[in-house]
Amino acid sequence: DVKVTQSSRYLVKRTGEKVFLECVQDMDHENMFWYRQDPGLGLRLIYFSYDVKMKEKGDIPEGYSVSREKKERFSLILESASTNQTSMYLCASSPWGTVTSGRYEQYFGPGTRLTVT
Amino acid sequence: AQKVTQAQTEISVVEKEDVTLDCVYETRDTTYYLFWYKQPPSGELVFLIRRNSFDEQNEISGRYSWNFQKSTSSFNFTITASQVVDSAVYFCALSLEGETSGSRLTFGEGTQLTVNP
Repeated sequence: DVKVTQSSRYLVKRTGEKVFLECVQDMDHENMFWYRQDPGLGLRLIYFSYDVKMKEKGDIPEGYSVSREKKERFSLILESASTNQTSMYLCASSPWGTVTSGRYEQYFGPGTRLTVT
Repeated sequence: AQKVTQAQTEISVVEKEDVTLDCVYETRDTTYYLFWYKQPPSGELVFLIRRNSFDEQNEISGRYSWNFQKSTSSFNFTITASQVVDSAVYFCALSLEGETSGSRLTFGEGTQLTVNP
């Protein structure tokens, strides 16, 4: 089974702190994603990466950065945490695929609920 | 830009009732994938189904069925004879075929389904 793990289930940080959220997948997937989930807004893509050291901005990248030094690990960084970054953060991975190959599903981790006070 | 709308924020039913979760999408692309994911209270999203834009056949899997209609841009999900274990947040999502694997997902807002005994 594909396994995506996230370093913490719950995290409490203070405003202005630098925060690292870690995600590891064990299925040699090329793609990795960071989403945030807020009530009424669904999941919104922050950043994604389709290869080591490659990254692309998602829909809401402001205030975040990412790092992918190894294929299995994708880190989300909040340079200076703010209260409006209090949210559930979900990491996902997927194999490289196309419509015709059918290898398309994303596999999600359990999420990290971050509270910034 | 693409968009997914799940107009039903919350649905509450009694066990054994049938329930339909609505999903409406918008995209100008002709090649795309639609997904349903389930998020139980544990938080981890679970993949349920993928449907590509060229396949309008409805699908049934046990108590679950999906109705894809391109004419109305809808991809609705029905649970027959609901059970308490079906209680979860359900997300509909859309993916376009793109240059970088194309597995970037746009999610709807989610529908909280509560099945009462």
